[in-house]
Amino acid sequence: QQQVKQSPQSLIVQKGGISIINCAYENTAFDYFPWYQQFPGKGPALLIAIRPDVSEKKEGRFTISFNKSAKQFSLHIMDSQPGDSATYFCAASYYQFYNTDKLIFGTGTRLQVFP
Amino acid sequence: DTGVSQNPRHKITKRGQNVTFRCDPISEHNRLYWYRQTLGQGPEFLTYFQNEAQLEKSRLLSDRFSAERPKGSFSTLEIQRTEQGDSAMYLCASSLSIPLRQYFGPGTRLTVT
Repeated sequence: QQQVKQSPQSLIVQKGGISIINCAYENTAFDYFPWYQQFPGKGPALLIAIRPDVSEKKEGRFTISFNKSAKQFSLHIMDSQPGDSATYFCAASYYQFYNTDKLIFGTGTRLQVFP
Repeated sequence: DTGVSQNPRHKITKRGQNVTFRCDPISEHNRLYWYRQTLGQGPEFLTYFQNEAQLEKSRLLSDRFSAERPKGSFSTLEIQRTEQGDSAMYLCASSLSIPLRQYFGPGTRLTVT
């Protein structure tokens, strides 16, 4: 059973455009939602994360929007650059409820940014 | 480089052989995690340690898998009697107890022939 559903599977964006990746979850016990970026042959790298008590978090060109009632969160990459071309994973964990911080990942979105 | 390191980076083995991977976390991090990632999928949690104590194991971790972190520093993941289905990228991550930000290593890619 997939606890975090991610879409789209792949995304092609023109340089300078906005990339939007969406995730949805079912378990309301989740209390931490990070996004990871992964380049081929590398491990995932933490980009940005949010907790459910805020609706938006921005770091540079990356913004997480969080909708607690809809159980959805999304990553927005503004002014997308060819160097952003990578696979992006959303994830969730439920430390406060179950005292475990294992991450449950989505299936990933392959982003390609063309010049 | 003070990031998470993993060795070896690649391992090719024949079905039925045993393999062992090593992970060296960021030095002050007391939590260490193992994940498995297959092609086109997100990482799946296998197990994690706080210091030397193994606190949680996934049901994915069959009896053929064992992980240790003997002195609360590096960790090893051993797979006995490897099967072709074990072919995957094995990722290690580490974190401090607070905040819960996991930093991943480059992974060990296992190919079972």
